[in-house]
Amino acid sequence: AQKVTQAQTEISVVEKEDVTLDCVYETRDTTYYLFWYKQPPSGELVFLIRRNSFDEQNEISGRYSWNFQKSTSSFNFTITASQVVDSAVYFCALNLYSSASKIIFGSGTRLSIRP
Amino acid sequence: NAGVTQTPKFRVLKTGQSMTLLCAQDMNHEYMYWYRQDPGMGLRLIHYSVGEGTTAKGEVPDGYNVSRLKKQNFLLGLESAAPSQTSVYFCASSLSLGDSPLHFGNGTRLTVT
Repeated sequence: AQKVTQAQTEISVVEKEDVTLDCVYETRDTTYYLFWYKQPPSGELVFLIRRNSFDEQNEISGRYSWNFQKSTSSFNFTITASQVVDSAVYFCALNLYSSASKIIFGSGTRLSIRP
Repeated sequence: NAGVTQTPKFRVLKTGQSMTLLCAQDMNHEYMYWYRQDPGMGLRLIHYSVGEGTTAKGEVPDGYNVSRLKKQNFLLGLESAAPSQTSVYFCASSLSLGDSPLHFGNGTRLTVT
């Protein structure tokens, strides 16, 4: 069975602190894709990043970085020097190549950045 | 470029009433999806479509019906609303399976009393 676990329901940090959002996934498929989406207080869902199962290279985009480790089935998201605008709910998702119905979302982590 | 547009944004129904949520995308995407979002449960797939004229059940299809008569539109219907269907509904589309990200609409907040 496929599953995505975001164990951190809520995180609150002070602005400029670094914060890591955890994502652990389960699948027996060898080809899959991992995604992070952001849902700010306005409610829309925005795509942040995609990783495929064959590419474990970490990625950095400005203050955002993602660490993909197949050995621990994790795809963690780190925000460096957090800002109030980073306050949002963040969802990790697992897409299996095989089926449109196999897009599994984690339950989300609500991140609050205090000024 | 509008992307994915959902209407309406808000709706209040009484138990037993029916309604249709409309989703329109202008990106020529083949795949379209309806999700519901409930607190602490992430997004759950209701129905999806892999192309014009096709629909399929997702994780939580009971109480909903869908239609995709045109490639750009995906309609979600509630025939007899129940309080358990109070939720935020998101439509999404994607270019292909697997590696394509989902493009979401802004959501519809539905309350059933």
